[in-house]
Amino acid sequence: DIQMTQSPSSLSASVGDRVTITCRASQSIASYLNWYQQRPGKAPKLLIYAASSLQSGVPSRFSGSGSGTDFTLTISSLQPEDFATYYCQQTYSTPRTFGQGTKVEIK
Amino acid sequence: EVQLVESGGGLVQPGGSLRLSCAASGFTFSSYPMNWVRQAPGKGLEWVSYISGSSSTIYYGDSVKGRFTISRDNAKSSLYLQMNSLRAEDTAVYYCARHYYYGVNDAFDIWGQGTMVTVSS
Repeated sequence: DIQMTQSPSSLSASVGDRVTITCRASQSIASYLNWYQQRPGKAPKLLIYAASSLQSGVPSRFSGSGSGTDFTLTISSLQPEDFATYYCQQTYSTPRTFGQGTKVEIK
Repeated sequence: EVQLVESGGGLVQPGGSLRLSCAASGFTFSSYPMNWVRQAPGKGLEWVSYISGSSSTIYYGDSVKGRFTISRDNAKSSLYLQMNSLRAEDTAVYYCARHYYYGVNDAFDIWGQGTMVTVSS
């Protein structure tokens, strides 16, 4: 199975900050990488697919980059509704494994 | 509106069984593969099982293989997860999620609200 490792596990930031979350795969997965947002008590929501493509309806302050083993999710200007946990997921092979999550908290 | 609604969760004793359901609406259910994903309390997401639109292809995670069975009824736009020999570590919120293909890439684009399964004596 492909292992996905996110860093950091949590971070504190203020509204308006630029936030970067990293995801590393245990082997090359090309661009088969998705990002999800999960607010407390809610279901996950797809943000980014294929490493850098924005899902319909997702604000443009979210962006993704990377290929191979190293990927990044960036929030250009953090908004109050962005305080949540973010997960990466590889779709290169089955099982479709997730990272352990990065919790973005209010500073 | 595209929607997935899970049901069937509850409290069950270790070794017991439970059947989860996921009702789909707002899209042509038979055209999409589906997944079950679970989340233990305070933990991350764990993929559980996948079924193709025609039910011809099925996959399971190692932790549930041999105990869980995924199925679907396209006439009823419904997805199911039969869970047998339940263990305490199966305690989680169970989500159904639509599998969507963006060319050669894929993602889980629509999720239900989840149903809680608690395995405890």
